[in-house]
Amino acid sequence: TQLLEQSPQFLSIQEGENLTVYCNSSSVFSSLQWYRQEPGEGPVLLVTVVTGGEVKKLKRLTFQFGDARKDSSLHITAAQPGDTGLYLCAGAWGGSNYKLTFGKGTLLTVNP
Amino acid sequence: NAGVTQTPKFRILKIGQSMTLQCTQDMNHNYMYWYRQDPGMGLKLIYYSVGAGITDKGEVPNGYNVSRSTTEDFPLRLELAAPSQTSVYFCASRRSTDNYEQYFGPGTRLTVT
Repeated sequence: TQLLEQSPQFLSIQEGENLTVYCNSSSVFSSLQWYRQEPGEGPVLLVTVVTGGEVKKLKRLTFQFGDARKDSSLHITAAQPGDTGLYLCAGAWGGSNYKLTFGKGTLLTVNP
Repeated sequence: NAGVTQTPKFRILKIGQSMTLQCTQDMNHNYMYWYRQDPGMGLKLIYYSVGAGITDKGEVPNGYNVSRSTTEDFPLRLELAAPSQTSVYFCASRRSTDNYEQYFGPGTRLTVT
């Protein structure tokens, strides 16, 4: 089983602050996804990154995939209370893109 | 489209009881998955299926069984419930083509006492 480390586990910030969440592995990902989960619901995909060095933006969220494809980050600019939730990274390795390993998640709370 | 539906939403079982968690998707996805989510532990893959009639074990399959007789349905069976199976269970599906997104159901919260 591949290991995927996600940090921090908890993050509580004020509205308007910036934050970064990290996802790391000792192995090379073939692809990596970020999901967001709200209480009582299933995770919902935010982005998929495939190419080393790739940067994707989704409104105030910026996703980076490391050049070596072993790490990724999620940066939120000017966080809002609506960003509150559990952020999960999920990686695929080798040829099995259909099977994901999830990190433990980062529980983000944005206080008004 | 309803997407991925799961029933029941909540269930309390006594130790040793059996139950089946239902999962149905109406997106004609070949790949389907069962995960469990424990507090602070992310999602762990229990079983998955790449098509009707084909299933395989994930990371934590002990105590569970699955079947995939149709493309739409992927039930998860607990034969002898144990307290360690208290968790939230999520079913997911995705297309078999190069689209990585997994679509998740709303989950089933199971308590075994």
